[in-house]
Amino acid sequence: DTAVSQTPKYLVTQMGNDKSIKCEQNLGHDTMYWYKQDSKKFLKIMFSYNNKELIINETVPNRFSPKSPDKAHLNLHINSLELGDSAVYFCASSLGRGEGPQHFGDGTRLSIL
Amino acid sequence: AQSVTQLGSHVSVSEGALVLLRCNYSSSVPPYLFWYVQYPNQGLQLLLKYTSAATLVKGINGFEAEFKKSETSFHLTKPSAHMSDAAEYFCAVSEPGGGNKLTFGTGTQLKVEL
Repeated sequence: DTAVSQTPKYLVTQMGNDKSIKCEQNLGHDTMYWYKQDSKKFLKIMFSYNNKELIINETVPNRFSPKSPDKAHLNLHINSLELGDSAVYFCASSLGRGEGPQHFGDGTRLSIL
Repeated sequence: AQSVTQLGSHVSVSEGALVLLRCNYSSSVPPYLFWYVQYPNQGLQLLLKYTSAATLVKGINGFEAEFKKSETSFHLTKPSAHMSDAAEYFCAVSEPGGGNKLTFGTGTQLKVEL
């Protein structure tokens, strides 16, 4: 069973479009995260939710909007896609808001044409 | 603010040789420290973590790391490299009470040669 699953795995689209990435975890965790990994493999946190409450909101353009319908799901919606949004987006989850290890999904590779 | 520096974006070792990947951190409070490994086209997998218990931390796949406060370091080692260790390795830091926000280093690509 996949612990943290993201869909789609690949997403190719044109500039200006709106797209969503979905994430689900079956680990019983209550905290979920979105990270962006750029072309140089640098990883940076974007958002974190704990029990559907937004707890980390880094300096991210407001074209990015996370939504957590329940603690097992965290989706990422991106409006008006730009070339610079091309990256791999990783979802992760952990138990609690402390030092619990984060479990990562396999990523969604977003390519903007 | 916290930060992580990984010296050497690429490290190459022979199979059976010692692996040493360097990580230095900056944090205003005693941090939590982590090493993650990323295989091609996969997510990150936790190798080990330090959360203020024993300073020598043992992880999976024979890796270990030692927290040295005086040197603000958390270097990753493995006595004998295996071909399957070839991957990207990330050091990360979080601050207790900081919502488990991980700040990552820029990564080190480990190559293992025959």
